[in-house]
Amino acid sequence: KAGVTQTPRYLIKTRGQQVTLSCSPISGHRSVSWYQQTPGQGLQFLFEYFSETQRNKGNFPGRFSGRQFSNSRSEMNVSTLELGDSALYLCASSLGLAGMDEQFFGPGTRLTVL
Amino acid sequence: SQQGEEDPQALSIQEGENATMNCSYKTSINNLQWYRQNSGRGLVHLILIRSNEREKHSGRLRVTLDTSKKSSSLLITASRAADTASYFCATEVLRGGADGLTFGKGTHLIIQP
Repeated sequence: KAGVTQTPRYLIKTRGQQVTLSCSPISGHRSVSWYQQTPGQGLQFLFEYFSETQRNKGNFPGRFSGRQFSNSRSEMNVSTLELGDSALYLCASSLGLAGMDEQFFGPGTRLTVL
Repeated sequence: SQQGEEDPQALSIQEGENATMNCSYKTSINNLQWYRQNSGRGLVHLILIRSNEREKHSGRLRVTLDTSKKSSSLLITASRAADTASYFCATEVLRGGADGLTFGKGTHLIIQP
């Protein structure tokens, strides 16, 4: 069974631009969660989608948004990029809800904002 | 805000010794999960322990949960070099909430050969 895949793996953008990251969950998994990981703040929850509905959203500004498609694939978008958005963005999928089931993580997208 | 906090922040032991790391959290939870992250394999799930369970084993891993003290511990027995990694606890607040699944900042474990 293929694991969670994320594209692209690396991205360099400049302040003010926007970016879209993509995540393909494990086949059959209905929940997709997104996290931001930085050395200072650690792993921070962004949002969780389950069956195309946003179930939870973390404490991030409205510039961070996401969606999930009918095939469970998910995208997250960050608009008007700031330097502080430089981070590793991790996507995770699970059969059931993220808090109730084992999550499988992708390798992440390393975003650098210049 | 961090729901879970691991202790110690860093731990260095000799190969073959046992490693214990702790996690404390603030509010009632549905369950608690432990994850490991290293550069080679990314973030990997280790164990999920439910709020009505007190202890769980998986191979060389043993996790305990004390809901009255809002704490959990992860014990790795007979450590190996490959156990060198950062270990995180993750919790979801009971009955859901805006925080979703929240991770602590982790314990960085180094196994000396």
